[in-house]
Amino acid sequence: AQKVTQAQTEISVVEKEDVTLDCVYETRDTTYYLFWYKQPPSGELVFLIRRNSFDEQNEISGRYSWNFQKSTSSFNFTITASQVVDSAVYFCALIRGGNNDMRFGAGTRLTVKP
Amino acid sequence: DAGVIQSPRHEVTEMGQEVTLRCKPISGHDYLFWYRQTMMRGLELLIYFNNNVPIDDSGMPEDRFSAKMPNASFSTLKIQPSEPRDSAVYFCASSFGTSGGLKTQYFGPGTRLLVL
Repeated sequence: AQKVTQAQTEISVVEKEDVTLDCVYETRDTTYYLFWYKQPPSGELVFLIRRNSFDEQNEISGRYSWNFQKSTSSFNFTITASQVVDSAVYFCALIRGGNNDMRFGAGTRLTVKP
Repeated sequence: DAGVIQSPRHEVTEMGQEVTLRCKPISGHDYLFWYRQTMMRGLELLIYFNNNVPIDDSGMPEDRFSAKMPNASFSTLKIQPSEPRDSAVYFCASSFGTSGGLKTQYFGPGTRLLVL
C-alpha cells in the first residue's frame, strides 16, 4: 500500500519567518516518485518539484528547499523568508514505480501574515 | 505553450441533470487523469487514460460517472444523473511517459461543480 501523511493541517507564520512543511510517505516499492504541489486561493494546482527515489539529493530553488531522506521516509519542504504570496495549501504526493496512481496527502494550509 | 484546459470553470445544476466536464490535455502528453477534490476526501484519482485508452477506473465512484477520451486532445467526464454529493472541484491533469521519472502531472484550473 502507499500512503502520504502530512501531519500539519494548518500553519500560520509571520512574513520573513522560515517554515517547514512535513511529509512522510509509505511504500513497499524501491522505485517511486515524490511531488510537491501548491494550491493558492485561486484553486489551481501548481507543480513545484518531483524527486525520484534513487536521487536523494536535496534541492534548492530560490527561497524553496526540499529535504528527501529515505531513512525516515520523509520529503520535507522549507520556505525561507516566507512571503504573503506563499499563503496556500501545499500537497505532498507519491507515485509508485510502474504505476501512475498519484496519492496525495491531506495538505497543509500555510498562512503567511504581513 | 498552453497548459491543460478545462471547461466549464463553474457549473451549477439541479439534482438529476446530466453534467459533462471537458478537458484538453497538454499537446504531446500521453496520459490523462481525472481527479475530484472535496473537503471530506481530499484529492482522489477517478480514472486515467494512456494513449486514449482507460487504464484504471477503480476510483470512479459509481455507474453514474463515465469518462471518455475519443482522441489525444479531448476527454469528457460525465455524471448522469447528478446528485448533491457530487458537488466538488474536478481536476484534469496530463503527463508524458512512464520511464525515467517522467511522471509529473500538470493540472488544469479545475471545474467547480455545484449540484443543488
